[in-house]
Parts: sequence; structure tokens; C-alpha cells
Amino acid sequence: SYELTQPLSVSVALGQTARITCGGNNIGSKNVHWYQQKPGQAPVLVIYRDSNRPSGIPERFSGSNSGNTATLTISRAQAGDEADYYCQVWDSSNWVFGGGTKLTVL
Amino acid sequence: QVQLVQSGAEVKKPGASVKVSCKASGYTFTSYDINWVRQATGQGLEWMGWMNPNSGNTGYAQKFQGRVTMTRNTSISTAYMELSSLRSEDTAVYYCARGGGTHRGMDVWGQGTTVTVSS
Repeated sequence: SYELTQPLSVSVALGQTARITCGGNNIGSKNVHWYQQKPGQAPVLVIYRDSNRPSGIPERFSGSNSGNTATLTISRAQAGDEADYYCQVWDSSNWVFGGGTKLTVL
Repeated sequence: QVQLVQSGAEVKKPGASVKVSCKASGYTFTSYDINWVRQATGQGLEWMGWMNPNSGNTGYAQKFQGRVTMTRNTSISTAYMELSSLRSEDTAVYYCARGGGTHRGMDVWGQGTTVTVSS
């Protein structure tokens, strides 16, 4: 089965740029979606199809996908961005989630 | 506004079944898939399966094949997920999520339903 690998944690200084990676075999050929989940809340879609933002998501959130790595980039990180982030792809008739990355804003 | 509202928390004994509901509003229920995703405490997201509310077609993750059933009642725009033969490892928050297709991900989520399996 297809596997997605994310770092367990990423730290970023307030106002700086955070990058969260999602690794998978030839993931560049797939559509990657990203979710933000804050404690006690349901996940929220922040990026779909590699680099598209749903309405209401700040422009500070962006994504890219190439080769074996997809990346979620959060510019000008704010305290409110502190959350768990999950990548997701569709493979062999299954949705697959990455293990999640905890983003800490220092 | 578009929303999914789930049923309340459940406590079940091992071996029992649980049925969670997910009521859609603000959009045409039959136009989007409904997915079910669960999350154990402190763990990641785990996809369980999907259902097409229009046709009733379903697709289940292999891990849950034979134990999960996803159904719907289109007259009340409600989807259901029933999980049988419950064990302690099934204790989790269960979410329904609207699917916009493989190129759009899951854009609307329910608030989650806590299912606790304990003797």
C-alpha cells in the first residue's frame, strides 16, 4: 500500500516561513491535499490539488509537488498556525493520509 | 451555510455495533461523496471508506472490510456509518467529510463523534 512520510514536528519562529514535507513514491504524479487540525477540532482543508487554496484560506498558505516530495509552505507564520498538518493522496481506490506534522510557532 | 452535523457521543461494549449519522445541509446531498475518517486519541487520521449518496455505491478501506457499512437516507440528507464487532482499539473520534473528488480532497467536515468501546 502507498505510504506518505511526514516529519513528526517542525518549528518556526514567529513571522518566518515554515515548510512541511510529505514524501511518497512519485508523489509528483498525484494530487496532494493538505489539512490543518487544531486541538479538539475537525480538520480543515488548506490546500487542494497540490497548490490551490480553498476560499477563506490565507494567501500565506501555499503548496508545491514534484518528484517524490510535496511541500506545504506557511509564510509569515502566526501563533494561530500552530496545529497538526496532514497530507493526503488518492491511491489505488483508497485515500491515504500522512502521519501528520506538529507545527510549533516559537 | 454548508455543514455536516454528526450524532452524539456513544459508549459501547466490546462486540457491539455503533451507527453514527451525518446530516448534510446547505448543498445538494447527492452531488458529493461522503467519506468517513477516524482518529484515535493522540493519533493521526485514518480513512475508513466513502459512499456516493446518489447511487449508494461504497468503497471501504481493506482494514474495515466486513466490519463497516455505509448507507444513506436521501430524503433527509443523512449518511450513516455502522461499525460492528467493536473492540477497544475502535475507541476514537469518527468524522464524516464531504468529498469533492480525488482532485479536490475533503472540503467540509463534521464536528466528530466520539465512540468509546469499554467493558
